[in-house]
This record gives sequence, structure tokens and C-alpha cells, in this order.
Amino acid sequence: EPEVTQTPSHQVTQMGQEVILRCVPISNHLYFYWYRQILGQKVEFLVSFYNNEISEKSEIFDDQFSVERPDGSNFTLKIRSTKLEDSAMYFCASSERALAGFEQYFGPGTRLTVT
Amino acid sequence: AQSVTQLDSQVPVFEEAPVELRCNYSSSVSVYLFWYVQYPNQGLQLLLKYLSGSTLVESINGFEAEFNKSQTSFHLRKPSVHISDTAEYFCAVRNSGTYKYIFGTGTRLKVLA
Repeated sequence: EPEVTQTPSHQVTQMGQEVILRCVPISNHLYFYWYRQILGQKVEFLVSFYNNEISEKSEIFDDQFSVERPDGSNFTLKIRSTKLEDSAMYFCASSERALAGFEQYFGPGTRLTVT
Repeated sequence: AQSVTQLDSQVPVFEEAPVELRCNYSSSVSVYLFWYVQYPNQGLQLLLKYLSGSTLVESINGFEAEFNKSQTSFHLRKPSVHISDTAEYFCAVRNSGTYKYIFGTGTRLKVLA
């Protein structure tokens, strides 16, 4: 069964450093998403991406964050200058369409630890 | 703004006993409802969803959930749990016209032998 993959599974970085989290969505999916979960808190929506553009973003997704689909398979989340509060599990998701009947498929997550 | 509440952070239950995991959401205007399950070290997997039609939806592994518009609830139930059901369960809501899912804080189901 096709699945969303994410690398790395765990990333440790120092405050102020840039990180790039990588995702490979399911191959025929057109819509891509990032969510995050701070330890002990809810899974929160960050951004959705379609046709090389951001289609929706949350208040969390400020200028420190960016997303990109650099080639036909990868979807990346970049955090320009990490803060301690960016420590969280980051989930990538993809869906074939944006309609409600097409659910979002989630990857296993990347645990980001900022020290 | 839409919000999702899962009141039970942990639910211990003995094997073969029934279980109910509660989920309430704040607004019932054109919502789509989902339950996801997360096994250790894995991603979120869709368990079941309500989009429209019959208010009772079922999964292939014996879970069911009922959409109750008047109570703005979407509780998850299973009549007889197995050890393998031990996992974290997340309720999520999506409003029409938006891409994002809004998740609850999750309920950790622990099935005891």
C-alpha cells in the first residue's frame, strides 16, 4: 500500500540553525500538508500546498517557515532560524484531491528537538 | 473557531471489554469528521470518517462511530477490544471550504490482558 514517508525520523539542532524536514507524498496525490504536535498538545495544522502554491496556512506558519516542492517527489518544510518552541513532532500529509471525500494520508513524523 | 475536545487522555480497559472514546466538536455547520489511530512509532492512520448520509460509520476492524449533530459528538466505540487495539486515537474535524483538519488532543487506549 502506498504511504507517505518522512526523513529524518529524528532531528536535533541548535537554536538559530536552519532545518529542512523532508517528505515524499503518495505519488498520485496533488495536495500536501504539514502539521505539528508539540509534546502533550494537539496536532496543529501548519500549511497546505497545491500547484506549487500555499493554499492555506495557520497563524503558526510565520515568516520563519517555508515550504517547497523542489522536484516531482519531495515536499519540504524549512524552518529558517529555529527556536526552542519549535521542538515538536512534524507530520507531513497528502491527499489526492482537496474534497472532503479524499482523506489526508499522514507520514510517521519527524521529531525535531531544538537545544 | 472550530475546536475538538477529547476529554479522556487515557482509557485503560480489559481485553474483550467494550470501550467508548469520546469526541465533541464546537460547530456543526458543514463538518466532516474523522478518527485516526496512531500505533507506536507510526503515522496517523485513518480509522473511519463521516462525510454525509448514515450517521453510523464503521471501520473494518470492528470500530464504529456515530455522528450526533444535536450533541455535536462523534464518539468512537468498540464492543470488544483486543490487545492490538492499544494505540493513541485522534478525533479530527474539517469544515467545508477549508483544507485543514482540526485535531483533538488524543486518547491513549491501553488494553490490559
